Amino acid sequence: DVKVTQSSRYLVKRTGEKVFLECVQDMDHENMFWYRQDPGLGLRLIYFSYDVKMKEKGDIPEGYSVSREKKERFSLILESASTNQTSMYLCASSLRGTGNTIYFGEGSWLTVV
Amino acid sequence: SQQGEEDPQALSIQEGENATMNCSYKTSINNLQWYRQNSGRGLVHLILIRSNEREKHSGRLRVTLDTSKKSSSLLITASRAADTASYFCATDMNDYKLSFGAGTTVTVRA
Repeated sequence: DVKVTQSSRYLVKRTGEKVFLECVQDMDHENMFWYRQDPGLGLRLIYFSYDVKMKEKGDIPEGYSVSREKKERFSLILESASTNQTSMYLCASSLRGTGNTIYFGEGSWLTVV
Repeated sequence: SQQGEEDPQALSIQEGENATMNCSYKTSINNLQWYRQNSGRGLVHLILIRSNEREKHSGRLRVTLDTSKKSSSLLITASRAADTASYFCATDMNDYKLSFGAGTTVTVRA
């Protein structure tokens, strides 16, 4: 079965902390994504990666960075967490090209206090 | 930027009834997908319809696409309590990214 695994389901971090959200997929997908989901705003794309070491900014990249050193792993980094980054973060992956299903992880609930 | 917008924002129906939700988008698309999200969980793919298709079925789901009106609808027939979830449309505009709407929250009452 297809699997996207997010390392942490719930996190509480302090303002100013550096936060790492890890995601691993076991489907050999080229594409990996990080989305943020907030009530009433739907899913917003933070960053996208189409290959190892390759990344592209999404709609809301400010305050975030990403790392993709291995094909199966895509990390989201909050360099200095702020309270407005409290949200649900969703990792996803898909095969290269259009018209492919995106497979999502279960989400990571981050609270910044 | 969000391309798709679902309507209504919320829908409450009795078990056994049909649920219909709509998605409108702004620019030309390659295909449109529908996803379901149970509360607090990740999204699960339901169905994909390509821009040259008008209707598609999958079990109790029926999706239509009208490219002239830039809109799609998702119909769930004979709803069950397990259909309680949020439903999102996602548009593919010939690149590798999907653009999601804010979703329709469906509550099926027993």
